Amino acid sequence: DTGVSQDPRHKITKRGQNVTFRCDPISEHNRLYWYRQTLGQGPEFLTYFQNEAQLEKSRLLSDRFSAERPKGSFSTLEIQRTEQGDSAMYLCASSRLAGFQETQYFGPGTRLLVL
Amino acid sequence: AQSVTQLGSHVSVSEGALVLLRCNYSSSVPPYLFWYVQYPNQGLQLLLKYTTGATLVKGINGFEAEFKKSETSFHLTKPSAHMSDAAEYFCAVSDPGNQFYFGTGTSLTVIP
Repeated sequence: DTGVSQDPRHKITKRGQNVTFRCDPISEHNRLYWYRQTLGQGPEFLTYFQNEAQLEKSRLLSDRFSAERPKGSFSTLEIQRTEQGDSAMYLCASSRLAGFQETQYFGPGTRLLVL
Repeated sequence: AQSVTQLGSHVSVSEGALVLLRCNYSSSVPPYLFWYVQYPNQGLQLLLKYTTGATLVKGINGFEAEFKKSETSFHLTKPSAHMSDAAEYFCAVSDPGNQFYFGTGTSLTVIP
């Protein structure tokens, strides 16, 4: 169990550019979540996958955001035409749903700064 | 719908003193409850969780929390604070098998 990893850890970009983040979950975890965390706030749910299927998306996830998990393993989160309001920490978490019990394990996050 | 309220965005305690971080939840079904800790520029680390069974839950680093259904609370405690406990603490609630909802966090400062 190597834990959840995220890449890159930090990203600085100019407004209007596209960025892509990667998350590698704990192996054999069937669920993968993306959250956004702004300063002084708790994580806010963006979307989640069960295996390769994207099951739910928050209204926070505008059409500039897209997430994929093509083979049910790693996931990518892409933000197109970045805006300054997108500056935040993007957290990935994974879990193994066993019956109704689930514990989410978080990665270290990707901190995005849009200039 | 589920939600979490963490009373006190900042808590300061002296080293060796009792730590008490408050969490109240709202849930339409029996909840699953979690406490996570976040150190600067890091992700969230699970401290403890309540799903079913014993209402007093023990976690890592000497922390524990008690689920009180009548008070809809899940407060986090530690008998004696250590300098290394200084961090941001988040309470979270979920439906069984559903998405998590996090509180806004409590920043714990430990005074030497």
